Amino acid sequence: AQRVTQPEKLLSVFKGAPVELKCNYSYSGSPELFWYVQYSRQRLQLLLRHISRESIKGFTADLNKGETSFHLKKPFAQEEDSAMYYCALSGSSMDSNYQLIWGAGTKLIIKP
Amino acid sequence: DAMVIQNPRYQVTQFGKPVTLSCSQTLNHNVMYWYQQKSSQAPKLLFHYYDKDFNNEADTPDNFQSRRPNTSFCFLDIRSPGLGDAAMYLCATSKGLAGTYEQYFGPGTRLTVT
Repeated sequence: AQRVTQPEKLLSVFKGAPVELKCNYSYSGSPELFWYVQYSRQRLQLLLRHISRESIKGFTADLNKGETSFHLKKPFAQEEDSAMYYCALSGSSMDSNYQLIWGAGTKLIIKP
Repeated sequence: DAMVIQNPRYQVTQFGKPVTLSCSQTLNHNVMYWYQQKSSQAPKLLFHYYDKDFNNEADTPDNFQSRRPNTSFCFLDIRSPGLGDAAMYLCATSKGLAGTYEQYFGPGTRLTVT
């Protein structure tokens, strides 16, 4: 079954501490992995995708096919990182399964 | 700025009274999606249009319909809203269907059913 699992509904860390939001997936083909973020009172927006291999707002995520994981990491959390984070998966352009499969989301709270 | 616009932002309707939610985009994207998002849950895809081709998700109730009269606009019609249809409805667009295309979301319409 195709599935995205975010085991933590809520993650609370202090400002300046490292952050890791976990995402595990189950998919039979070659997935495209994404992290979407929703800040308070703002629209859902793409944070980063694994094919870009870029760092956005200090966040990085590495696709580990062996562990089927795509964890989101930031070495030093900032208060403005507080938001809802969704991990999502889609089939690649070679795959007919194109719709996003969403995790349940993790609410990240950065304490001052 | 190119964007996805949803109107209204808040909609209150009565049980069983038809309601239409609106989405427009200035991105000239081929694909438009409608999602339902209930509190503390992930967005749930209801359907999408690729140009004029309509694709309904298998578990989307018949109560939900959609129209896309042109590239820019897409509507969500709820024919007989029930209390369980109260949710945030998100419109999104993307350039193409393949997984590499980012989805751009509107701010959402919060629907209340009384």
